[in-house]
Amino acid sequence: DGGITQSPKYLFRKEGQNVTLSCEQNLNHDAMYWYRQDPGQGLRLIYYSQIVNDFQKGDIAEGYSVSREKKESFPLTVTSAQKNPTAFYLCASSRGSNQPQHFGDGTRLSIL
Amino acid sequence: KNEVEQSPQNLTAQEGEFITINCSYSVGISALHWLQQHPGGGIVSLFMLSSGKKKHGRLIATINIQEKHSSLHITASHPRDSAVYICAVGPTGNQFYFGTGTSLTVIP
Repeated sequence: DGGITQSPKYLFRKEGQNVTLSCEQNLNHDAMYWYRQDPGQGLRLIYYSQIVNDFQKGDIAEGYSVSREKKESFPLTVTSAQKNPTAFYLCASSRGSNQPQHFGDGTRLSIL
Repeated sequence: KNEVEQSPQNLTAQEGEFITINCSYSVGISALHWLQQHPGGGIVSLFMLSSGKKKHGRLIATINIQEKHSSLHITASHPRDSAVYICAVGPTGNQFYFGTGTSLTVIP
């Protein structure tokens, strides 16, 4: 079955460390997205990519970086510059603009 | 002010009740989405609509473009409907705005 796989489900990071969250899709979707979800807030867009080797900053890109070397993969790196990284991170993909987005099951990141 | 406002924030219903969740938005949109997030965190897209009404099983979504308002209805609610329901609007390109969600609990 096609879908989006995020790994790991839970991730712990020490302060000062970079950490990379994985997102893989086998839906042949062109567009991929990273969102952050905090309690009491709506999902906020971190980065998105409409095509391989291209990506755009979302509303809260500071302290994050991404790459899109393959259509199937859109990893997110949470750098030490991100001051409050504890959150639930969701990856999504879609065929294109304003198409339904398919979501992964998320990664919960916590700081030790 | 959020671009997307949902009400209520929390909702508890008895099994079998008719449920309505509301969404108002302040931006121009090309489509509105209703999403369902289960306790584990995974999200499923329920509806995408830009006008009128859509129905899928016991779920019905309506939108009034002039009033910038959408509703999600659940008929004959069941405990398995317990989840967070999120309204999202897509104004342009790939930029979506999300509501904070409505947490629904259906009691047997």
